[in-house]
Amino acid sequence: GQQVMQIPQYQHVQEGEDFTTYCNSSTTLSNIQWYKQRPGGHPVFLIQLVKSGEVKKQKRLTFQFGEAKKNSSLHITATQTTDVGTYFCAVQTGANNLFFGTGTRLTVIP
Amino acid sequence: GAVVSQHPSRVICKSGTSVKIECRSLDFQATTMFWYRQFPKQSLMLMATSNEGSKATYEQGVEKDKFLINHASLTLSTLTVTSAHPEDSSFYICSAIVAASAKNIQYFGAGTRLSVL
Repeated sequence: GQQVMQIPQYQHVQEGEDFTTYCNSSTTLSNIQWYKQRPGGHPVFLIQLVKSGEVKKQKRLTFQFGEAKKNSSLHITATQTTDVGTYFCAVQTGANNLFFGTGTRLTVIP
Repeated sequence: GAVVSQHPSRVICKSGTSVKIECRSLDFQATTMFWYRQFPKQSLMLMATSNEGSKATYEQGVEKDKFLINHASLTLSTLTVTSAHPEDSSFYICSAIVAASAKNIQYFGAGTRLSVL
């Protein structure tokens, strides 16, 4: 079955430091999505990556899709307290279903 | 756009009662909706896929008679937790995909926190 691991599981950073979370799949992916879930909130779609080696940026967030389409990363530059939350990668299984990774919980210390 | 409303946001009930959770797409039609369960500090686990006008598809290990899903219209799916027990206490979240969209983006409701006493 589909296996999607995210590392690290937890990350504490000082405000202003960078943060990276990695998502690794056991199989080649057609695409990968990233979601953010604030504490007590619901997941919010951030981005979808489709092409091998693709890099997309959203302000301080940089998303990468590996050349082999088996891994992806999310990098946040100069974290802010508003970045606090859990970041999930999600991969498509079947027609529309998404399988969510284990998530990385980010804490930003002011 | 693409707003999903989930109601109620919080339910506290006695063991043995049934709880109904509604998931509505407010500004779009959704032929497919999803129901997830999330335990504290864990990832989202897909419970079932709800298709308008047909039976839901349940994931392995999810009892269809315990978690009744109805998707009677293009904007509404309901999840009924029947005869709830304390072990059913969890955060239930629905999501929806815009009908006929080429992008497989799921828009999530705010979730329902169920506490069974």
